[in-house]
Amino acid sequence: AQSVTQLDSHVSVSEGTPVLLRCNYSSSYSPSLFWYVQHPNKGLQLLLKYTSAATLVKGINGFEAEFKKSETSFHLTKPSAHMSDAAEYFCVVSDRGSSNTGKLIFGQGTTLQVKP
Amino acid sequence: GAVVSQHPSRVICKSGTSVKIECRSLDFQATTMFWYRQFPKQSLMLMATSNEGSKATYEQGVEKDKFLINHASLTLSTLTVTSAHPEDSSFYICSARQGDNEKLFFGSGTQLSVL
Repeated sequence: AQSVTQLDSHVSVSEGTPVLLRCNYSSSYSPSLFWYVQHPNKGLQLLLKYTSAATLVKGINGFEAEFKKSETSFHLTKPSAHMSDAAEYFCVVSDRGSSNTGKLIFGQGTTLQVKP
Repeated sequence: GAVVSQHPSRVICKSGTSVKIECRSLDFQATTMFWYRQFPKQSLMLMATSNEGSKATYEQGVEKDKFLINHASLTLSTLTVTSAHPEDSSFYICSARQGDNEKLFFGSGTQLSVL
């Protein structure tokens, strides 16, 4: 069965400094992995996704994530944080197992705080 | 890009009443829609998966008679919380998928408060 663990519930960075949001996954199959962002009172927005192509995935707003099979990790990074990046971030794995439902399994979320 | 409209964004109701939440795909046909529930400070939990024209598939622990899901058309799914109680107060989000494309489009969510 698939599962996702986001290692930090809360991350605080200063504006202009790098961002690292950590995510580890467990999957019996070749997983599809996603990062979603949720701003207050808004719906989820897809930042990027990995689907067995290039291991380094570039997303929107300067974010990128690297799929490391040996470490079962899919950490999200950004070289320089912006105030508008403050939000809740979810690491997600797609349950593509034998049922092929495409159901998403969410991590617990990481709150990113950006200080001026 | 594709848009999913969820309505209402906020609803307050009395205990014992029923509340209907609508999820519409505005510019694409959604063969599959998902309903999630989010408790404060917690992650989204999948409640059920609905495919157009068939019965919804509920996750373990979700009462299907309490959370009625209807996906009668390719652009509309509804979630009805029947006989709502204060413990049903939560943030509910729907998402829609077009065909086998894994990318999901999310509604903006509905904050339900049951008094």
